[in-house]
Amino acid sequence: AQTVTQSQPEMSVQEAETVTLSCTYDTSENNYYLFWYKQPPSRQMILVIRQEAYKQQNATENRFSVNFQKAAKSFSLKISDSQLGDTAMYFCAFMIPSNTGNQFYFGTGTSLTVIP
Amino acid sequence: DTGVSQDPRHKITKRGQNVTFRCDPISEHNHLYWYRQTLGQGPEFLTYFQNEAQLEKSRLLSDRFSAERPKGSFSTLEIQRTEQGDSAMYLCASSLNRGRRGYGYTFGSGTRLTVV
Repeated sequence: AQTVTQSQPEMSVQEAETVTLSCTYDTSENNYYLFWYKQPPSRQMILVIRQEAYKQQNATENRFSVNFQKAAKSFSLKISDSQLGDTAMYFCAFMIPSNTGNQFYFGTGTSLTVIP
Repeated sequence: DTGVSQDPRHKITKRGQNVTFRCDPISEHNHLYWYRQTLGQGPEFLTYFQNEAQLEKSRLLSDRFSAERPKGSFSTLEIQRTEQGDSAMYLCASSLNRGRRGYGYTFGSGTRLTVV
């Protein structure tokens, strides 16, 4: 079974500070991709960052970076210099690609609030 | 092209009524997905289209649910004899599949269904 666990339902951070959201997953597949999506209130889900499982180097995207520990099946998201616009629900997900379609498996999300 | 469009944004219906949602993907995207997101949960896969062919359906998609994608363009998701448990956000996403590369989706803003 493919599962994603986000153990922090809610988190808060002061503006300009750094916060880390945790995620663990379980799959028996060897080729997969990991994602963090952001869902602002009443708005569409937006891709934050993507990581190929076969790459050891952690992905970074401006203020967002991940700590990918493949053996531990851990994929945490670090947000540096938090901004008010980062307030959103964050979903961790993984995808097992195939030629017939790429299905995502999502966690239950972490609601992040950035405090002014 | 402004992304994935979903219509309506909100739908309130009485139990037992039929409802239909529409999704217009990004024009060149040949892959289209429907997900359901209930309160406090991450999105769960419902069904997948490659062009006009429905290639995969989740067990969550009961006989009351049907989806179509005529001519490989827009897609509709119909729920017959709605039940209160159908209340959820229905998300559509599309992608230009490139084989076994794990590219992410573009999500729509969703249709929020409330069954009263």
